[in-house]
Amino acid sequence: NAGVTQTPKFQVLKTGQSMTLQCAQDMNHNSMYWYRQDPGMGLRLIYYSASEGTTDKGEVPNGYNVSRLNKREFSLRLESAAPSQTSVYFCASSPFGPNQPQHFGDGTRLSIL
Amino acid sequence: QKEVEQDPGPLSVPEGAIVSLNCTYSNSAFQYFMWYRQYSRKGPELLMYTYSSGNKEDGRFTAQVDKSSKYISLFIRDSQPSDSATYLCAMSAGETSGSRLTFGEGTQLTVNP
Repeated sequence: NAGVTQTPKFQVLKTGQSMTLQCAQDMNHNSMYWYRQDPGMGLRLIYYSASEGTTDKGEVPNGYNVSRLNKREFSLRLESAAPSQTSVYFCASSPFGPNQPQHFGDGTRLSIL
Repeated sequence: QKEVEQDPGPLSVPEGAIVSLNCTYSNSAFQYFMWYRQYSRKGPELLMYTYSSGNKEDGRFTAQVDKSSKYISLFIRDSQPSDSATYLCAMSAGETSGSRLTFGEGTQLTVNP
């Protein structure tokens, strides 16, 4: 029972490079989320997808784009990475909506030099 | 001012102690309250989920919500070294437009053998 799977687990980028973080869930959940976690800031929502075919901005969307590829997969793209985007990124899913418990992956640790 | 305030600690207790973890919040619309546990280099995992005010018990863990004081607590009885982790509170306002899960910063707990 994999739950929420994130790839890659670690990545180092240079400023200006682009990359896509992948997330897949096998729990048949409708809603999926991308967060970043920084020291002293807690978890902050970047983007979310309430259901397949929809995406919405969260608290800190600037510099990111997302794609809900299908019900299982939700990717996060950094088009031109900046040092301020160095963080740990978590994907999560819930049956439907933010009021239900969210299940998290183990994160992608991203460093931008 | 943050919507959800949580003392980051660190908090260190001896094995067997009762641990009290707390969060305060400012948004009176919050109705759903959750506690997550996060081990080092892992994603958050749900511990407790409550709706509105009251208490909920699950084994050694008890969650309390006092909406009149905008205050939630997590109690851990007979604490074990395996309870050493960061504990995150989270809350959401319900099925309103733009509703999202808002996290506290997390409290780092160490239980010493």
